[in-house]
Amino acid sequence: SQKIEQNSEALNIQEGKTATLTCNYTNYSPAYLQWYRQDPGRGPVFLLLIRENEKEKRKERLKVTFDTTLKQSLFHITASQPADSATYLCALEGGSYIPTFGRGTSLIVHP
Amino acid sequence: DAMVIQNPRYQVTQFGKPVTLSCSQTLNHNVMYWYQQKSSQAPKLLFHYYDKDFNNEADTPDNFQSRRPNTSFCFLDIRSPGLGDAAMYLCATSKSSHKETQYFGPGTRLLVL
Repeated sequence: SQKIEQNSEALNIQEGKTATLTCNYTNYSPAYLQWYRQDPGRGPVFLLLIRENEKEKRKERLKVTFDTTLKQSLFHITASQPADSATYLCALEGGSYIPTFGRGTSLIVHP
Repeated sequence: DAMVIQNPRYQVTQFGKPVTLSCSQTLNHNVMYWYQQKSSQAPKLLFHYYDKDFNNEADTPDNFQSRRPNTSFCFLDIRSPGLGDAAMYLCATSKSSHKETQYFGPGTRLLVL
């Protein structure tokens, strides 16, 4: 069966460090993968999209990698700030052209 | 600002009492989606419209219905809410269905008493 796995345990890091979140998937061959940010009680907000033929994408302090061999995407936030604390969801296109979401990983950045 | 609006933000209903959640968008996007999200879980797609074409997910209960009277508005009707339907309901839009970013509304938190 198809699975999207994101670490259910919160990631706690100190301000200024790089946060790295992981999204693993099985039985998908996604044409693209997206990362969203979700704050408590709010809807997800789009951050980055990376296509299957792209290895890496950057936007300001954010970097996403996509390894279709390992079936994994890594999401990095450099120089993290307390304001980056949120849940980060990955979503990937599962063949029906509509993205399927993972459950997300909570990031907590301590001052 | 162009956006996705959901009303109300919080909805309390009684067990078995029909409830309607609404979503409107000023983005003029073709596709509108309804998701259900329970605590610490992934948003689960219930259905979506591509223009007027309605697409129901196979595992969406019959208790959930939707209407899209025009491009801007979409409604989620829960005919007989059960305790298990308490969740955050998210409306989203995308310009077209393929490889497009989704824009989400703030969600409606539904409580069933």
